[in-house]
Amino acid sequence: DADVTQTPRNRITKTGKRIMLECSQTKGHDRMYWYRQDPGLGLRLIYYSFDVKDINKGEISDGYSVSRQAQAKFSLSLESAIPNQTALYFCATSDSGTDTQYFGPGTRLTVL
Amino acid sequence: QKEVEQNSGPLSVPEGAIASLNCTYSDRGSQSFFWYRQYSGKSPELIMFIYSNGDKEDGRFTAQLNKASQYVSLLIRDSQPSDSATYLCAVSGFSGGYNKLIFGAGTRLAVHP
Repeated sequence: DADVTQTPRNRITKTGKRIMLECSQTKGHDRMYWYRQDPGLGLRLIYYSFDVKDINKGEISDGYSVSRQAQAKFSLSLESAIPNQTALYFCATSDSGTDTQYFGPGTRLTVL
Repeated sequence: QKEVEQNSGPLSVPEGAIASLNCTYSDRGSQSFFWYRQYSGKSPELIMFIYSNGDKEDGRFTAQLNKASQYVSLLIRDSQPSDSATYLCAVSGFSGGYNKLIFGAGTRLAVHP
């Protein structure tokens, strides 16, 4: 079984819709991250959480919100999706005290 | 703005050759350095990490770090077509009170038979 899972794996939605992407992990890691990846731009950090009560904005948090429901679950929401949020979204985890991050399989989101 | 720079490629090498992938970074305080491999449409997969100056070998992969020159590289010996992927360099950076990874945009490697 995968250590980091993401649902859905693919999603097509329309402008203005609310979308939630979910991430779950069985690695027992404290830290969780949400990234988006666009061609030629690499991975950009949206939000990160170092424990359930510690949530921080990354470099591109505008238009996104997150919820850390438990140590193992971290959700990303797009309150009102827009076409330039079309991208590949990755969840990642790391253990406290280390910088090594492990990625989920990704969600391909298309906003029409 | 802390940056990690990589040549986007593609870097084309023949099967069996050594592929050399390079990365420079701007934050002199960075302590941890990572190489990830990413196949098209898939998630990044950790290949190696290195913390100290010098070389670190793992099978066909060697990571090289030179903190004075702010340079980290990945050598792939006996390159195989299955090594064809995008290789992401990631560097730890301290900002906003926390240590985070900053990723380069990646170098695309193509190994041809």
